[in-house]
Amino acid sequence: NAGVTQTPKFRILKIGQSMTLQCTQDMNHNYMYWYRQDPGMGLKLIYYSVGAGITDKGEVPNGYNVSRSTTEDFPLRLELAAPSQTSVYFCASRQTASNQPQHFGDGTRLSIL
Amino acid sequence: QKEVEQNSGPLSVPEGAIASLNCTYSDRGSQSFFWYRQYSGKSPELIMSIYSNGDKEDGRFTAQLNKASQYVSLLIRDSQPSDSATYLCAVGGGSQGNLIFGKGTKLSVKP
Repeated sequence: NAGVTQTPKFRILKIGQSMTLQCTQDMNHNYMYWYRQDPGMGLKLIYYSVGAGITDKGEVPNGYNVSRSTTEDFPLRLELAAPSQTSVYFCASRQTASNQPQHFGDGTRLSIL
Repeated sequence: QKEVEQNSGPLSVPEGAIASLNCTYSDRGSQSFFWYRQYSGKSPELIMSIYSNGDKEDGRFTAQLNKASQYVSLLIRDSQPSDSATYLCAVGGGSQGNLIFGKGTKLSVKP
């Protein structure tokens, strides 16, 4: 099992460019999450999904969009990259049963210059 | 605003000692509690979960939960240099079970 796979691992963008961060999981988890982590800070929830076709905003959704067309995939889209979006992005997933832990991908390190 | 508080550290302990990491949370309705370990430049890795008051032991790790005091802790016995990492406390609850993360405590185990 690969678990949660994120691509790319690193990316440099120019201000105003757009990109999609990919996340896929092979554990048949319904719940999926996108977080950002800034230096010295905890994980901040951007968006989450409880199943295909269902997404909802987290704590810091501005500047991002998501979609969930399949159980496996949960891409995160940046439409107009800004320097404030420089961060490490983590995707996570968990089983549907309540109180289950989240399992994380390896992350995408994104710099916007 | 639901909050999870951790001492940012760094917490420095000698090899072989007990490391004690603490976490407090604001939401009394929280139902699940997790400790994640994060090495520098890596992703968070689940090391312990606890759901009811008391202690839960797994190898060198013991998680302790006191819901009345809204307090959860992680003890690492016989600390090793390989335990040097940032430890994230995460608290879950609510209808979606989303997690709130603390900022993490950086642990340094000196040989």
